[in-house]
Amino acid sequence: DTAVSQTPKYLVTQMGNDKSIKCEQNLGHDTMYWYKQDSKKFLKIMFSYNNKELIINETVPNRFSPKSPDKAHLNLHINSLELGDSAVYFCASSSRGLNTEAFFGQGTRLTVV
Amino acid sequence: DQQVKQNSPSLSVQEGRISILNCDYTNSMFDYFLWYKKYPAEGPTFLISISSIKDKNEDGRFTVFLNKSAKHLSLHIVPSQPGDSAVYFCAASPYTGNQFYFGTGTSLTVIP
Repeated sequence: DTAVSQTPKYLVTQMGNDKSIKCEQNLGHDTMYWYKQDSKKFLKIMFSYNNKELIINETVPNRFSPKSPDKAHLNLHINSLELGDSAVYFCASSSRGLNTEAFFGQGTRLTVV
Repeated sequence: DQQVKQNSPSLSVQEGRISILNCDYTNSMFDYFLWYKKYPAEGPTFLISISSIKDKNEDGRFTVFLNKSAKHLSLHIVPSQPGDSAVYFCAASPYTGNQFYFGTGTSLTVIP
């Protein structure tokens, strides 16, 4: 049973479209994250949610909007997709508190054409 | 501004020898450090961690060393095995918790 699952695994779409990536965790964690891995392979944090509340919003364009309907889900909606949005997006979760590790989903490879 | 840096994008090691992966950080608020392993088309998986109150943590073939004064940590794998071939990410978390900042990864190839 997958701990952190993302759908879809691959997403190809045209510029200007709006798309969503879904993430679910069954670990009972309070905190969920979205990371972006670009062509330079840098894993950059985008958002962090703690019990459905936004904690971190790094310098991400406001075309990216996370939605957390409950603490087990954190979806990422992207409006007006641009070529530069092409990347692998990873969802992750961790338990609350110090000295914990994050568990990652398998990633969603987004290609904007 | 990258707060966690892995300056070696790749490393090749013979099977059975030691692999040493390095990581540097800049933020003094970081006090928990992690190493992740990533295979292609998969998400990163947790490997080993170390708290800032320690300078060494060992788990089987994997040992992480932390030098706080130099803001440097390293991962030693000994003996290296072909199955260890993967990308290794260093990550750091501040004392406030619940944030993880990653480096750019080092691609390790273990040659049989």
